[in-house]
Amino acid sequence: TQLLEQSPQFLSIQEGENLTVYCNSSSVFSSLQWYRQEPGEGPVLLVTVVTGGEVKKLKRLTFQFGDARKDSSLHITAAQPGDTGLYLCAGANSGNTPLVFGKGTRLSVIA
Amino acid sequence: DTGVSQDPRHKITKRGQNVTFRCDPISEHNRLYWYRQTLGQGPEFLTYFQNEAQLEKSRLLSDRFSAERPKGSFSTLEIQRTEQGDSAMYLCASRGGTGYATEAFFGQGTRLTVV
Repeated sequence: TQLLEQSPQFLSIQEGENLTVYCNSSSVFSSLQWYRQEPGEGPVLLVTVVTGGEVKKLKRLTFQFGDARKDSSLHITAAQPGDTGLYLCAGANSGNTPLVFGKGTRLSVIA
Repeated sequence: DTGVSQDPRHKITKRGQNVTFRCDPISEHNRLYWYRQTLGQGPEFLTYFQNEAQLEKSRLLSDRFSAERPKGSFSTLEIQRTEQGDSAMYLCASRGGTGYATEAFFGQGTRLTVV
């Protein structure tokens, strides 16, 4: 069974600070997706990474896929209260296997 | 709105009752997934359809759970004889194509509370 471990589990920071959350596995994934989820809502896709070493930027968010495609990170610059939410990573292998999710990092950005 | 739609958004039921949830995927998406999410956890996979075929079921899906996708479009998830442990958010997601890199889009979920 492929598992994704996310760290930290909880993170509370002040507005304007930078932060990094991690998604690690002992297994190789063909692709990895990051989602953000707000309470009572479904996850919303942020990005998909597929190539080892790939870096993608989405405004103040920077996503990196590890060279070995076993891990990923999400870095947020100058966090804002609107960034508050549950950040989930999910890995996929073949097209016929479901996404495997980590437990998420719950981020709280305090104004 | 052309996103994934789930109905109802909330359901409160008494223990022992049956409930059914519906998911309408993005229209051209052939792959459909059901997940369950409890407080503080990430989504846990329940079952997966490609078109009308149910290709995979998790061991989490006890014999009280059944899912269908009769015409390869919408899907239903039924829970019979509900138990308090079934209380959770039930999420549906859809993906197009067949590759591993295609993105999965989620609905807003159905929050089930069993009292």
